[in-house]
Amino acid sequence: GNSVTQMEGPVTLSEEAFLTINCTYTATGYPSLFWYVQYPGEGLQLLLKATKADDKGSNKGFEATYRKETTSFHLEKGSVQVSDSAVYFCALNNPGGSYIPTFGRGTSLIVHP
Amino acid sequence: EAGVTQFPSHSVIEKGQTVTLRCDPISGHDNLYWYRRVMGKEIKFLLHFVKESKQDESGMPNNRFLAERTGGTYSTLKVQPAELEDSGVYFCASSQGLVGETQYFGPGTRLLVL
Repeated sequence: GNSVTQMEGPVTLSEEAFLTINCTYTATGYPSLFWYVQYPGEGLQLLLKATKADDKGSNKGFEATYRKETTSFHLEKGSVQVSDSAVYFCALNNPGGSYIPTFGRGTSLIVHP
Repeated sequence: EAGVTQFPSHSVIEKGQTVTLRCDPISGHDNLYWYRRVMGKEIKFLLHFVKESKQDESGMPNNRFLAERTGGTYSTLKVQPAELEDSGVYFCASSQGLVGETQYFGPGTRLLVL
């Protein structure tokens, strides 16, 4: 079946540090890949997405590239801020047109001033 | 435009009790989804409504869970009787369209069964 594996957290960084959160997936076909973010006390928000191999999704300084050869979709940001502290979820849409995402376990990011 | 809202934000109950969670989707969204995240694990799909009809309830764990969406507006998810393993965060999401449409999530209800 489909699955998403994320690095375990929490990830703790100082402000302006470089961020990488690893995500790999298992799926048949050609899934779309997503990163969602949940800020404290809020719901999940779609952060970025990529729908085919080599696509790069980007938003709010974050980016991730759909790597089919390594089945990965790592999230990166060049300089994190305290306001980026949140839980980040990698997800994929099941191939074949299903609209129900398969999520990873989430990675908590804590950014210190 | 108001987002997806959920009530209550937190609930602490004892094993064997009943709890009802409520979700109000974004106005005009026909699709409503329930998900659950058990502590430290993946967010898992529970079920999907299209208006008042259950489109897919393949993720419902057992018959102690009952979801309704009378009138196709808000939805309730009742757990009766609650067990310890039901603890987790219950998310609701809504969307207008279907395939490929962005789902908008609520903040979740944190349920703790003691």
